[in-house]
Amino acid sequence: NAGVTQTPKFQVLKTGQSMTLQCAQDMNHEYMSWYRQDPGMGLRLIHYSVGAGITDQGEVPNGYNVSRSTTEDFPLRLLSAAPSQTSVYFCASIFSPQGGTEAFFGQGTRLTVV
Amino acid sequence: GDSVTQMEGPVTLSEEAFLTINCTYTATGYPSLFWYVQYPGEGLQLLLKATKADDKGSNKGFEATYRKETTSFHLEKGSVQVSDSAVYFCALRERTALIFGKGTTLSVSS
Repeated sequence: NAGVTQTPKFQVLKTGQSMTLQCAQDMNHEYMSWYRQDPGMGLRLIHYSVGAGITDQGEVPNGYNVSRSTTEDFPLRLLSAAPSQTSVYFCASIFSPQGGTEAFFGQGTRLTVV
Repeated sequence: GDSVTQMEGPVTLSEEAFLTINCTYTATGYPSLFWYVQYPGEGLQLLLKATKADDKGSNKGFEATYRKETTSFHLEKGSVQVSDSAVYFCALRERTALIFGKGTTLSVSS
C-alpha cells in the first residue's frame, strides 16, 4: 500500500511548455483532487474527481486540465505553462470510512515556470 | 460555497507559551474539520480532526473542539516548543474535497 504517489517532485519549465503532473493511488478511493499552494494563499482547489470519468472544476481551474480514466490515476496537465503557475502542487485522495473522512496527500511537486 | 477563515500570522511565541490559532468556517450541514501542519520543506501532515459537534480532536499536545454554535475549530496547545514552528492549516470536508484556510505561520523561539 503506497498511498498517494505524486511525480515529479521538482520541475522547471519554460513559459509555453506543457507538462503533466502524475498522481496515483492504490487504495481504490473515489475522490481525488489537485491543489496548489502559494505563500499566504493556503491550498486552493484546482480540480477534483468523484470517480472514473467524472471531473469538475475547483476554485482555480484556469490553465489546467484533468482526466480520470481509471480510479487509480488523476493526472494534472498544464497545456501552456505561465510564470503564474509557479507553485507547489499537491494531489489528494479521500475516502469515508463509516461516515468519517480519511485524506491522503502526495508529497508535492514544486514547479517553477521561467 | 464552503469556506474556512483562520487567523493571519505570523504568530511568534516564546517556548512554553500558550498557543491559540483561531479557525471559523462557513458550510452547509456539519462537515468534518481538520488541522494540518506543514514543517519547513515538507508536505502536509494531519494533526487532528473532529467529525461532529462537540468532538475534541487531540494529538501531540494540540487540541481543538468542534463548536457548532460558533462554527469554530480553534487550535490550542498549552506549552509550545521550538519544534512546533510550522505552518498550520485549518480545513473542512466539503462533499468532494477538502477546503483549506490560508494557513498560519507559527514561530517559537527559545
